[in-house]
This record gives sequence, C-alpha cells and structure tokens, in this order.
Amino acid sequence: DAGITQSPRHKVTETGTPVTLRCHQTENHRYMYWYRQDPGHGLRLIHYSYGVKDTDKGEVSDGYSVSRSKTEDFLLTLESATSSQTSVYFCATRGGLGAKNIQYFGAGTRLSVL
Amino acid sequence: DQQVKQNSPSLSVQEGRISILNCDYTNSMFDYFLWYKKYPAEGPTFLISISSIKDKNEDGRFTVFLNKSAKHLSLHIVPSQPGDSAVYFCAASSLIQGAQKLVFGQGTRLTINP
Repeated sequence: DAGITQSPRHKVTETGTPVTLRCHQTENHRYMYWYRQDPGHGLRLIHYSYGVKDTDKGEVSDGYSVSRSKTEDFLLTLESATSSQTSVYFCATRGGLGAKNIQYFGAGTRLSVL
Repeated sequence: DQQVKQNSPSLSVQEGRISILNCDYTNSMFDYFLWYKKYPAEGPTFLISISSIKDKNEDGRFTVFLNKSAKHLSLHIVPSQPGDSAVYFCAASSLIQGAQKLVFGQGTRLTINP
C-alpha cells in the first residue's frame, strides 16, 4: 500500500466547468499515473509523471492536463468538463529505479458530468 | 486496437473449485504481466505478476501461467473462496524512457458461489 489519497472521492459537475482532481502519496514514489475506468475498457492511461514537473501523455489525454509541483502531489484537470468524461478516475504510483514492476492504486474518484 | 484482451466478461465458479481467468495480448515487447483484483468502490490491488522470461509464478492459491508463443496468460485460483469474488484485470507492462506503462484488459467479473 503506497499511502495514496485521492480527493474528492465523488464529484458532480456541469458541462463546461473546470474540474481538478488531486492525488497525494506518502511513499516518495517517483512515478505517478492517472487512469480512467469505463465499462468495457478496463483502465486507460490519461497522463503520467516521471518526476517533479516532468509529465507526459497517455493514450486518452485529450481534454485533460496535469501538474506535479511536488513529489507527493499529482493533479488532474479537466479544462472544460464534458459528459464523455463521466468516469471513475484512479491515481497510481510506482517507485523509482530498482522498484518492483508494480503500480499501487488509490481508491478512485467518481466523477459525473451533467 | 486493444493490445490486451480479456474475452470473458464474467465467470461463475463453485466454492472450492478452480477458477481460471484468461488474458491475451498482441505486443511481443511487453516485459512483465500483472493481475489486479478490484472490489466495488475500491482501487485495484496487486495480486501477482510474472516476468516475460518465466512461464509460471505461484503465490499461495494463485498461479499465473505465461505462454509467450501464444501471447496468452492465465490466472489460476485454487481452491476458490467467496472472498475471491471481484473483478480481475490483467495488465501488460512496458518500459518507455524509463517509465513503466501498463495496458489493461477489460476485466473479468469472478463470482464464487457457496
């Protein structure tokens, strides 16, 4: 367990509004990831970070941005939320060089865009 | 193009019997494979993994088999217990510029009947 806290756990918002989800970890893991989970798709990578201020896109990054100003925090922003972004969002972390090839997940944020 | 597929959305097994969950992949560059277990309203939790250079890994009641020539892996749970009822995701790992990326299957919902 990598001590991952996601906030908020649930959010309902309106189309067109910006939304920021937060992921906080206490294990000093280097790598952090944001995924979304949708029926029939499993988990899909949105963005990931390989260090402070170092981020890159995943397979479903359109409409999302991220920031990592501290090792422990990774923020996911929906710039202008759309109904297609209604989903469950998971944050994950992994240690640095020599760490096991395992990602540890937070409990998720359920987002509804109306 | 789905690189990792779990073709059975659901599986029902009698308590005490063997559960076999299957996963197929298309990319021969994957170097590690993982199984995660997910309960409702929780994040995925790591279960067991296998390196691409191995063909079997065992941990208690859980065994993962890898057939590289067929690009197929399976998770065996024996004996199955009611607490094993959950959604199981297989994931394939690759390292890109030092960062591990996971590609997930769609998940299989396992139900263990008493």
